[in-house]
Amino acid sequence: DQQVKQNSPSLSVQEGRISILNCDYTNSMFDYFLWYKKYPAEGPTFLISISSIKDKNEDGRFTVFLNKSAKHLSLHIVPSQPGDSAVYFCAASARDFGNEKLTFGTGTRLTIIP
Amino acid sequence: EADIYQTPRYLVIGTGKKITLECSQTMGHDKMYWYQQDPGMELHLIHYSYGVNSTEKGDLSSESTVSRIRTEHFPLTLESARPSHTSQYLCASLTGFEAFFGQGTRLTVV
Repeated sequence: DQQVKQNSPSLSVQEGRISILNCDYTNSMFDYFLWYKKYPAEGPTFLISISSIKDKNEDGRFTVFLNKSAKHLSLHIVPSQPGDSAVYFCAASARDFGNEKLTFGTGTRLTIIP
Repeated sequence: EADIYQTPRYLVIGTGKKITLECSQTMGHDKMYWYQQDPGMELHLIHYSYGVNSTEKGDLSSESTVSRIRTEHFPLTLESARPSHTSQYLCASLTGFEAFFGQGTRLTVV
């Protein structure tokens, strides 16, 4: 049972345009959400996060939106740059007997076209 | 920049061999994790530790074992490697909700 879903395995966006990556979750206990970026042959690196008490968090070109009623979050990158080409993982965390565990989605491969 | 290291980065090994994947972090984090990832698939949690002498199996069943004798060290061992173990193995440590990942070990069992 996949609790965090990224239904788009890949996305291509023109340089300078907005990239929108989507993520859905099923577990209502999730209270913190994160986006990670992964280049080939490297480990994921933290990008941006949002707490379940907020609906938006912005950091430079990156904005994450959370819609709790729809159990949906999205990552907006604007303007998109060639260096943004990578696989993006959505992750969610729920308190598990007082300890955090991260559940990851399958990832979306973003390709920025120059 | 995160201080978490995995060795080796790449490993090709024959069936039946015993292997240990190393993971070390210098951040003093209590929580450490091993994830397994196949291409195009999500990261599956296979082991985690909340501190020294604490180890638990994750959501995905794995034939590997782990140990946590020191805070900074969380090695993963496969007693007898099989082709089905071919995958990328990612180690992470956690502070709050944020995970710091190593560069991963890409294991190929032939």
